Amino acid sequence: GESVGLHLPTLSVQEGDNSIINCAYSNSASDYFIWYKQESGKGPQFIIDIRSNMDKRQGQRVTVLLNKTVKHLSLQIAATHPGDSAVYFCAENNGNNNDMRFGAGTRLTVKP
Amino acid sequence: DGGITQSPKYLFRKEGQNVTLSCEQNLNHDAMYWYRQDPGQGLRLIYYSQIVNDFQKGDIAEGYSVSREKKESFPLTVTSAQKNPTAFYLCASIAQGAYGYTFGSGTRLTVV
Repeated sequence: GESVGLHLPTLSVQEGDNSIINCAYSNSASDYFIWYKQESGKGPQFIIDIRSNMDKRQGQRVTVLLNKTVKHLSLQIAATHPGDSAVYFCAENNGNNNDMRFGAGTRLTVKP
Repeated sequence: DGGITQSPKYLFRKEGQNVTLSCEQNLNHDAMYWYRQDPGQGLRLIYYSQIVNDFQKGDIAEGYSVSREKKESFPLTVTSAQKNPTAFYLCASIAQGAYGYTFGSGTRLTVV
């Protein structure tokens, strides 16, 4: 079946470094993608989203890139700090909110 | 402030016992969802409700039950039929026409 997955389960960086978290998806019908941040013991928080008609979208310190050719999504976090340490996961939506699919997540650790 | 409130934050269940997890939202969202989160896995949909007095099974509904008597409330009961209930449970809601969920802070359920 269709699935959303992540390439790496863990990522460790130094404070001030840029981080890149990747996500692969397989449902070509998905037209909306979201990145969430989840801190330990808390619910996921929306970070940034992107529609399938876009290749790139920028937020504050974050950029999401979408490569529909290879069905790949990435989240770039600039100038990371320890507060960015969390699990980040992507989600895809094919237009049906009742069929949102989530990746397992990548744990980002930012060392001071 | 508007949001989703889940309670309790931690819940312990004895073997053979039913427990109910609360989810309340004041966002005026029509659709509400319950997800289960296990380590190393993506969120899995348990039940969802698009309108009051109506709900549908998700991917892993066995051993769970829900009700939607009010727009604001979507409680989840974990029954004794659920053999492996220890997990982190997340409630979410979404506005009509939107694509991204708003999540609650979660309830961690442990069988003792």
